[in-house]
Amino acid sequence: LAKTTQPISMDSYEGQEVNITCSHNNIATNDYITWYQQFPSQGPRFIIQGYKTKVTNEVASLFIPADRKSSTLSLPRVSLSDTAVYYCLGGQGFSFIFGKGTRLLVKP
Amino acid sequence: NAGVTQTPKFQVLKTGQSMTLQCAQDMNHEYMSWYRQDPGMGLRLIHYSVGAGITDQGEVPNGYNVSRSTTEDFPLRLLSAAPSQTSVYFCASSYVAGGENYGYTFGSGTRLTVV
Repeated sequence: LAKTTQPISMDSYEGQEVNITCSHNNIATNDYITWYQQFPSQGPRFIIQGYKTKVTNEVASLFIPADRKSSTLSLPRVSLSDTAVYYCLGGQGFSFIFGKGTRLLVKP
Repeated sequence: NAGVTQTPKFQVLKTGQSMTLQCAQDMNHEYMSWYRQDPGMGLRLIHYSVGAGITDQGEVPNGYNVSRSTTEDFPLRLLSAAPSQTSVYFCASSYVAGGENYGYTFGSGTRLTVV
């Protein structure tokens, strides 16, 4: 199972773009990279998933370089409601391990 | 509404008591999992199931049992509750095809306190 490393916390301001980088040096060839968002007292919510290059949806973008040893979640123009914990996972099928995540605080 | 339903939302147990946390999903997902989350920590996998009749252990299985008799339900049983099992428990389900997991859907959690 891929072990991921993320910053413990980050601060940002409303309207800024936030980039959270995740390291996954031992990611396997068939593993996907997935990001989840968790608000207090709620279960995690799927944000985005990718295998390589760039994936974009209505919420975020995910950048994965060619060597796939890291990935970056990009949140455009964050708002106060984006304050949450963000988890980076590497794996496939049902075998995913959640780390401690990155606690993002968006300030006014 | 489609999703993962967990009951109860809150529970207080005395040490040594047993109970079952219920989890049901109506999305016909084959994969279901149980996680626990302690304060300030990430989620740790307790048990998972890849289909009816098939279960396996995760990172922290001791003190818990599971069974999967139907696709929809995946109950988690605490055999003899201990204070160390005080936590928030999340159930999740997912659709997997061709090796790609299309994202977990999580329930709203059960907050368990063992005194």
